[in-house]
Amino acid sequence: GQQVMQIPQYQHVQEGEDFTTYCNSSTTLSNIQWYKQRPGGHPVFLIQLVKSGEVKKQKRLTFQFGEAKKNSSLHITATQTTDVGTYFCAGPYNTNAGKSTFGDGTTLTVKP
Amino acid sequence: DTAVSQTPKYLVTQMGNDKSIKCEQNLGHDTMYWYKQDSKKFLKIMFSYNNKELIINETVPNRFSPKSPDKAHLNLHINSLELGDSAVYFCASSQAPNMNTEAFFGQGTRLTVV
Repeated sequence: GQQVMQIPQYQHVQEGEDFTTYCNSSTTLSNIQWYKQRPGGHPVFLIQLVKSGEVKKQKRLTFQFGEAKKNSSLHITATQTTDVGTYFCAGPYNTNAGKSTFGDGTTLTVKP
Repeated sequence: DTAVSQTPKYLVTQMGNDKSIKCEQNLGHDTMYWYKQDSKKFLKIMFSYNNKELIINETVPNRFSPKSPDKAHLNLHINSLELGDSAVYFCASSQAPNMNTEAFFGQGTRLTVV
């Protein structure tokens, strides 16, 4: 079973539009990580959120961790063609439940 | 200087064959992982070792056997390959176990079984 659920699976935007992907967990997470995978590439770490209600920014990317530490979002302002790829959230491996770590990913395509 | 390197990058083989994928990390991390990414891009954890000890063993066929000769290496051996094994296999490493810290991924091995 999946520990974290991620939506949407696909998002197509016009360059300059905003983009958001959401992750939800049925259990409280000690932390959540976000990764980006470019087409044909490998997942690359973006950020880790640890605190309840935490908000972190990286240029046009804004990451949030919910107050209950069960949900998280990644928001990209004014998308660019360089933002294309698949964005994954990942929670710690739940040893008791034997559940996997990564969300299903959101694949972003940007039309110039 | 590649942090996590895995070989080969591409592997095309026939059904029934046995093959191995090798992974090495030079980050000094204690934990290494094998992930499988299918055609839908879902990333599924298969195994994880911490200090050469197997700590994560998801439900995978026992045709898959990981081996960690030391902290810096984690290899994956697959017996009697099947068509459904075709996927991209990623090796990764992290300082802390169970994906509690940033993971560094290798470039991936694209396995095609024909």
